[in-house]
Amino acid sequence: GESVGLHLPTLSVQEGDNSIINCAYSNSASDYFIWYKQESGKGPQFIIDIRSNMDKRQGQRVTVLLNKTVKHLSLQIAATQPGDSAVYFCAEVYNFNKFYFGSGTKLNVKP
Amino acid sequence: NAGVTQTPKFQVLKTGQSMTLQCAQDMNHEYMSWYRQDPGMGLRLIHYSVGAGITDQGEVPNGYNVSRSTTEDFPLRLLSAAPSQTSVYFCASSSDRGNEQFFGPGTRLTVL
Repeated sequence: GESVGLHLPTLSVQEGDNSIINCAYSNSASDYFIWYKQESGKGPQFIIDIRSNMDKRQGQRVTVLLNKTVKHLSLQIAATQPGDSAVYFCAEVYNFNKFYFGSGTKLNVKP
Repeated sequence: NAGVTQTPKFQVLKTGQSMTLQCAQDMNHEYMSWYRQDPGMGLRLIHYSVGAGITDQGEVPNGYNVSRSTTEDFPLRLLSAAPSQTSVYFCASSSDRGNEQFFGPGTRLTVL
């Protein structure tokens, strides 16, 4: 089956620094990719998505990069804040109906 | 709007018992889905629905049934609970397939 994985299970950054969370995927037939943030005890929250025909997309303080050559996805968070501490998941979407999630990266922001 | 609501928040079952996890949304979303999340893992899709009367299987459908009689509700049924179904269950909805999904707060289920 498809696999979506993350390079680092835990990432610690200093407040104010930029964070980069990585994700690898194995299937090139996806329609698009999504990044979610999940705080403890809560459901995932949509951050940003990117269509498979795009290389880069920017949101507020976040940028997603898609490298289809090496099947790699990354989420960049600028000026990381304590409120950014959470688990971040990438998800691969097929046929706009089926979502496959990675195992997650825990981001710790040190004040 | 209440968004996506799930009940109960916590549930303990014995092996072989049945129960229904409730999910409702008040955003008139067509697409709804159920996921399970196990420790240290991402979410895995159980079943999804693209509209009332239409359901389909996801990645891990075995042991679960769903129905979609209304746009608002998408219950998940466990006919005979097994310890392997111990997990946190999330329901999600979106206005159309491919759009941003909104997740409920989750149901933590333990099967003894």
